[in-house]
Amino acid sequence: DAGVIQSPRHEVTEMGQEVTLRCKPISGHNSLFWYRQTMMRGLELLIYFNNNVPIDDSGMPEDRFSAKMPNASFSTLKIQPSEPRDSAVYFCASTLPRPNTEAFFGQGTRLTVV
Amino acid sequence: QKEVEQNSGPLSVPEGAIASLNCTYSDRGSQSFFWYRQYSGKSPELIMSIYSNGDKEDGRFTAQLNKASQYVSLLIRDSQPSDSATYLCAVRSSGGSYIPTFGRGTSLIVHP
Repeated sequence: DAGVIQSPRHEVTEMGQEVTLRCKPISGHNSLFWYRQTMMRGLELLIYFNNNVPIDDSGMPEDRFSAKMPNASFSTLKIQPSEPRDSAVYFCASTLPRPNTEAFFGQGTRLTVV
Repeated sequence: QKEVEQNSGPLSVPEGAIASLNCTYSDRGSQSFFWYRQYSGKSPELIMSIYSNGDKEDGRFTAQLNKASQYVSLLIRDSQPSDSATYLCAVRSSGGSYIPTFGRGTSLIVHP
């Protein structure tokens, strides 16, 4: 398996622009997580999907952030409009919905908003 | 709110020494515990998992779990400069969602 695939790897955008991050989970993993990592706050959970349904989006910072999972093999995280404080590394991770299984991470998207 | 706490470090040890990394968690219902290693600019990768009280050894790594004290640790024996990285403790909670919650990580520096 190719693992969790994220795109793009790097994104530089101007403040106010829309940004879309993409994720393909590992086949068969029906739990998907979006995390944001910064030096100040570490890895923060943004949203959790199970079987393509958003279960917990309490970590989504504000209405500018939205996430979708239209099918089992694809998810997007959108920021509109983007702000400089959104600059971070965004990770997608997938796993099975059982406790004794690890989460596998994608390579991340490094977002810079100028 | 479920929390996972780690000392941010940096923890500096000489090559060949034992590095000891610690983690505490708040959710008593937590069922599974993981240690991830993250090199600078890379994604977290799993190095150890532990599910029951006691020690679990894998090569130079030993994970220790004490559920009564809500404490997880990772020991790295014969530390190598290539072990220099940030180590993230993760806990999967109970309650059906099993969301992995991560600590902020401990930076380990192994100097020659």
